[in-house]
Amino acid sequence: GENVEQHPSTLSVQEGDSAVIKCTYSDSASNYFPWYKQELGKGPQLIIDIRSNVGEKKDQRIAVTLNKTAKHFSLHITETQPEDSAVYFCAATVNSGNTPLVFGKGTRLSVIA
Amino acid sequence: DAGVIQSPRHEVTEMGQEVTLRCKPISGHNSLFWYRQTMMRGLELLIYFNNNVPIDDSGMPEDRFSAKMPNASFSTLKIQPSEPRDSAVYFCASPVISGNTIYFGEGSWLTVV
Repeated sequence: GENVEQHPSTLSVQEGDSAVIKCTYSDSASNYFPWYKQELGKGPQLIIDIRSNVGEKKDQRIAVTLNKTAKHFSLHITETQPEDSAVYFCAATVNSGNTPLVFGKGTRLSVIA
Repeated sequence: DAGVIQSPRHEVTEMGQEVTLRCKPISGHNSLFWYRQTMMRGLELLIYFNNNVPIDDSGMPEDRFSAKMPNASFSTLKIQPSEPRDSAVYFCASPVISGNTIYFGEGSWLTVV
């Protein structure tokens, strides 16, 4: 089955700096890669996703890149703000709403003002 | 649409008691996923349903755990008898009808003492 590794487990950055979180996956059949943000006391919320026919996707300060050959994908947050502080999870699955996501262990991001 | 609705949000119960967690998925899509989140193991898939039928329950820890989806708008996760090691946050998730994006509820925070 799929296995997703996520690094780093914790990340501290100064406000305004960039943050990068990296994930690798094992199943070459996986073709859907979402990223979730979880704030304290809440459920994971989707912030961006990418499908295997795309190498990069950007939404304002957030971007995700995918390297299918190397089986890794990354989340990039630019101009970080204190409200970006949260736990971020990457996930992978076959592109279908009927199959479950396999999650990485999460990255706790702290943005220091 | 109100999204994925879970109840109760918080529950504290004594060891040995029965616990029932409830989920109302996003209407119009009949896939549903139950996840458990702990500090040690992260987000783990417990069981998922397609068309109200359990597809994979290999993540259910043991026979004390059971889940049902009697119709497309309701699911339960039951623990009987509960044990302190079951203390965790239990999330229900479902896709939106128009695509493959999976949304999470706010979780049921279970403490077994």
